[in-house]
Amino acid sequence: GQSLEQPSEVTAVEGAIVQINCTYQTSGFYGLSWYQQHDGGAPTFLSYNALDGLEETGRFSSFLSRSDSYGYLLLQELQMKDSASYFCAVRVAGGFKTIFGAGTRLFVKA
Amino acid sequence: KAGVTQTPRYLIKTRGQQVTLSCSPISGHRSVSWYQQTPGQGLQFLFEYFSETQRNKGNFPGRFSGRQFSNSRSEMNVSTLELGDSALYLCASSPGDANTGELFFGEGSRLTVL
Repeated sequence: GQSLEQPSEVTAVEGAIVQINCTYQTSGFYGLSWYQQHDGGAPTFLSYNALDGLEETGRFSSFLSRSDSYGYLLLQELQMKDSASYFCAVRVAGGFKTIFGAGTRLFVKA
Repeated sequence: KAGVTQTPRYLIKTRGQQVTLSCSPISGHRSVSWYQQTPGQGLQFLFEYFSETQRNKGNFPGRFSGRQFSNSRSEMNVSTLELGDSALYLCASSPGDANTGELFFGEGSRLTVL
């Protein structure tokens, strides 16, 4: 089957760096995406890795290693507003569907 | 540019009833997908539509159905509601095949089944 595994919760201190990991089992996919969702809000797109390596967008970076079936989202200079749920997702190749991990709840403490 | 619009935002139904949820994608977007979100379960894939064709359906019973219209608006229907259908139903749109990874989500329709 196809599945993505993420830690359920992560806690970090304001100003720190946190890494949210995502391991996956899927036969083929176009790329790995990350989404942020605040309580009561819609998921919003953060980043996309089509190729192996690091993608950087401001305070957020995302990494993909297809050989290790692994990716991560790195958040730097954490702010209180970063407290939210973060989901990794893959677009299944030829499957016309995007599947999501169960999400990681990030708590940022002062 | 208006975002993805979902209606209704909140609704309460009783077991056995049916419900229809609506999704208007971003103008120009031809792909619409639906997801069910429950606490701790992430987003479970329901359907994906492109140019009025259902291209894939997730592992949900036949009580869950959907369609897409020529203007790309989409509806999903759940018949014979069960308590376990209580969830946030999210719709997402993308310009084409969504293979670039970016989906644009609506705020969702929160369904409560009593």
